[in-house]
Parts: sequence; C-alpha cells; structure tokens
Amino acid sequence: SAVISQKPSRDICQRGTSLTIQCQVDSQVTMMFWYRQQPGQSLTLIATANQGSEATYESGFVIDKFPISRPNLTFSTLTVSNMSPEDSSIYLCSVEDRDRDGDTQYFGPGTRLTVL
Amino acid sequence: AQKITQTQPGMFVQEKEAVTLDCTYDTSDPSYGLFWYKQPSSGEMIFLIYQGSYDQQNATEGRYSLNFQKARKSANLVISASQLGDSAMYFCAMGSHSNYQLIWGAGTKLIIKP
Repeated sequence: SAVISQKPSRDICQRGTSLTIQCQVDSQVTMMFWYRQQPGQSLTLIATANQGSEATYESGFVIDKFPISRPNLTFSTLTVSNMSPEDSSIYLCSVEDRDRDGDTQYFGPGTRLTVL
Repeated sequence: AQKITQTQPGMFVQEKEAVTLDCTYDTSDPSYGLFWYKQPSSGEMIFLIYQGSYDQQNATEGRYSLNFQKARKSANLVISASQLGDSAMYFCAMGSHSNYQLIWGAGTKLIIKP
C-alpha cells in the first residue's frame, strides 16, 4: 500500500492567516483526496485532486477558501485561507491505491489545525 | 441515496473479549465495497479491512473479520481478543464502482478496559 506523509502534523494559527498543508506519496497515484474532520465528526470530502487538472470541489467548499495544487503524481498541497476558528479540524489527504482489496483509500497521518 | 449507519456512538469492552461494531448501509449500486478504518487519538486514519459486494466469503485480516450479511445490508466488524491498543474511533465506509467517493458512517468510539 502507498505510504503517505503530511506536513505539518499540527499547527496553531491566528485567525485571518493561511496555512498550506503538504501531502507526499511514495508512489505515483492518479487520484488524491483532501478531507476535513471537524471535532467529534466523521470525514467530509473537500476536493479531489488529479494531476494536470483543476481540483474538483464538493458542495460547500470553494477554491478561494481551499486552493489545491497537484504539480505531479506524488505530491499535493491544500491551503486553508483566511482562517477562522471554525476551520479548526484535522485535515487528511488520501490516495486511491489498487491492491488485493481493490481500490482502497489510504490516508496520511493528518494535520491537526487549531485556529485561535 | 447511499448511506452508512453506525448505531453505536460508544462502546466499553473488557480486554481480551471479542467486540462487534455495527455497520449498516444503503445503496442501489450493484457493485460496491465496504471498508473499516481505525482512528486512534493521534488522528491518523488506518485502513483495517475490505469486503467487496461480490465476495463469497467474509473478509478476515488477523484479529479483524467482517461479518457481511448482504441481504440485511450489514457489514459488522468483529475484533477478536481485544487489546488496550484497540481503543480508538472506528469508521465504516462504502465505495462503489460508479463513484470513487467514500460514504462515511458517524463512527464508534471503542474503549477497551483493562
């Protein structure tokens, strides 16, 4: 299975600032996903990032607030812009990897963001 | 519409006992997959086990097994001989071949007591 790393692992930020989260995969993958997990909640998909094309955002998420880059098949970034306390969440990237279990999503360790 | 339901918000289990975490689903897609993930307090999401809708046998992976009852649309996770390190949130998720998106349940918080 793919091995995924994320940076930073956690951060505390002031409102109005922006944070860029990096996601690195140890193999080339077509589809990368960005999720948000608010405190005590399940995962919500923010967007899907395919290399060479614009990210596809889910309802309720917009590019101005969560710009995403996908410069190659092993790397992606998510920026949380103009942060407010409501953005305090765990942000997770995942990749779809075809293995003996079919198309399984594997996740990075997550970025725990606190906005003051 | 696709939906995943986990009816147990929290469970306490004695160490070494077996645990069953419930998951029911709803989909009209004939081909789908069911996943279980573990999320410790560290926040990472760890893939545990997968069951395909056409798989004839229940999936097993070490101490994890999936009790798949297709007619009842349930895919319960069974953890045998629970350990203190099993304490975590557990999420059931569903994916279909017509849609790469995973549909997530609300999760079950499992606490193993010594």
